[in-house]
Amino acid sequence: GAVVSQHPSRVICKSGTSVKIECRSLDFQATTMFWYRQFPKKSLMLMATSNEGSKATYEQGVEKDKFLINHASLTLSTLTVTSAHPEDSSFYICSASNSLSTYEQYFGPGTRLTVT
Amino acid sequence: GIQVEQSPPDLILQEGANSTLRCNFSDSVNNLQWFHQNPWGQLINLFYIPSGTKQNGRLSATTVATERYSLLYISSSQTTDSGVYFCAVPTGGGNKLTFGTGTQLKVEL
Repeated sequence: GAVVSQHPSRVICKSGTSVKIECRSLDFQATTMFWYRQFPKKSLMLMATSNEGSKATYEQGVEKDKFLINHASLTLSTLTVTSAHPEDSSFYICSASNSLSTYEQYFGPGTRLTVT
Repeated sequence: GIQVEQSPPDLILQEGANSTLRCNFSDSVNNLQWFHQNPWGQLINLFYIPSGTKQNGRLSATTVATERYSLLYISSSQTTDSGVYFCAVPTGGGNKLTFGTGTQLKVEL
């Protein structure tokens, strides 16, 4: 149980284009989904928290217009990197939680984004 | 905000050896999770351990919340244990997590 998928697993795009990453909870309803960014040999950095049907809450320093997050259903959240630049290249990981009280999060396999 | 430090940052073991990974946090927490990130990037939940001790096979974890630390024990290590181990604690209300600095483990034959 508690399986989270991400698609695509890796993507290469050109500077200036936009790319969408999907995060799905496969066997539970995710009231909250989280998006993280991880640089090589570094820890995970929380970018934003999204609750189904409401606007995402972004962490300080994360540009909401650059990283568009949509959580339209209890099983799907999307992260769109708009007008991508090489510095946006990174490993993006989503997680999902089905409760506000237990704090447990289940993680997707990650998406490796390379912007050329 | 809360600081979460892990030690050691890097660890190389021979297969079959035991190890202890430590997670220190700077403020009181009411839960803590341990994760293993495999070489392909997937994070795997190991333990949800607000306090006390839990065991799962060759792994066990102990959290002493009053002293603000948690320990992850790996016994009879195997090459498949290689990867990065993170602890994470809740912060900022809701169920946001702050991740520790990580321990990179390599188990060699």
